[in-house]
Parts: sequence; C-alpha cells; structure tokens
Amino acid sequence: EVQLLESGGGLVQPGGSLRLSCAASGITFSTSEMSWVRQAPGKGLEWVSSITGSGGSTYYPDSLKGRFTISRDNSKNALYLQINSLRAEDTAVYYCARYCVGGSCSRYFDYWGQGTLVTVSS
Amino acid sequence: DIVMTQTPLSSPVTLGQPASISCRSSQSLVHSDGNTYLSWLQQRPGQPPRLLIYKISNRFSGVPDRFNGSGAGTEFTLKISRVEAEDVGVYYCMQGRQFPLTFGGGTKLEIK
Repeated sequence: EVQLLESGGGLVQPGGSLRLSCAASGITFSTSEMSWVRQAPGKGLEWVSSITGSGGSTYYPDSLKGRFTISRDNSKNALYLQINSLRAEDTAVYYCARYCVGGSCSRYFDYWGQGTLVTVSS
Repeated sequence: DIVMTQTPLSSPVTLGQPASISCRSSQSLVHSDGNTYLSWLQQRPGQPPRLLIYKISNRFSGVPDRFNGSGAGTEFTLKISRVEAEDVGVYYCMQGRQFPLTFGGGTKLEIK
C-alpha cells in the first residue's frame, strides 16, 4: 500500500520560514518524480514544485521561484519543501504527491498524501 | 502558461442521472510525443484529490466504469453515466503537457 505522510505544517508569522516533509512508502521512491501541490482554504489546486527521482532537476512556477525549494533524500524515502519569507497568501494545505512520468506512466498525479496545513498569520 | 477552464462551476444532479463536466485548455495539450496529457481528479469533501482518468480517457486503477473521459486537442469532457451519492465532491482537470502544471478551477458536483 502506498503511503505519503506529510508533516511540518503549522502556524507561522509573516516573513517566517517552514520546512515541510513527506515520508513515502509503498513506492520505488528513488525513481519516482515527486511534487508538492497546495490548496488554499475553499480554493482549487495549485502546483507548487516537482523534483526528478535523482533530485537532479527541480521545477517551479515562476510565481513561486526564489521562496520555495524542493529537495529529497532517497536514503530516507523523504521529500521536503522549504518555504521562506512566508506570506498570508501561502496559507494552504500542502499535499505531497507522486507525479508519475516516464516508463509506463503518463504525466499524472497518482498518489497523494493527506496534506499538512500551513497558516501564515500574526 | 496553459490555462485550464472548467464549466460549469457547479452541477446539481439527481441520483442515477448522468453528469457532464467540460474542460478547455488555452492551447493544445498534444505533446511532441503524440500523447495528450489531460487527466481528471476527484476530491471528495475533506479528502485529498484522487486520480480518475489519465491521457483523456484511461481509467486509473479501481475507478468505476461509470466514469468516462473524452475529447481531443483543447476540449475535454468527463462524464458520469449514473451519479451515485459517493460521487459528490469537486472535480478537476489537469494538464501534464508542460511545466508549469496547471489545474482547472474545479467543478462542484452535488446532489439535487
């Protein structure tokens, strides 16, 4: 059974930083491209970042480049998201998801965690 | 960036009746490899999203056959042949043709 378990969310003041983690099991993590997707309260889904299996390539939307850093540790089956200079508009549930690409996959998000809530407020 | 537009925003449906959701992309989703990377996800209340359909019309593992995807190029449709109570939630289309990956705004399916 595939499990993606996020942690690290919480209440943080504007301008602060946070590091989210995602522990993966049930998948071949080192060959899986992984992503973060967020959802502001009552809003839709927004892709935040992706990283290749080796960690050699990372991707971000232009709107988030510079403040968000995705990384992974394949020895620990762990995915991370560092968020700096947090703003109120970063308040959201952050989901860890596998972005299945290459091989038998066809560029879709097939497995999702339950999400971790980040609240940015003073 | 590819903009994904879904209609309607909300769809009240009677149990047992069909439902249809449309998704339009601002540019063709046909990749240079010949595939069209359009998927559909369902998000039930209080749950993370769940993959239903990939590459326009392929049902993901465990997805009931009442869910069907169709379309081509820039116009896509998700149809539910007979809506059941467990289908309530928000449905999103998503393009994987290129980064940045983008989602439609969502369509809320509710029971009349």
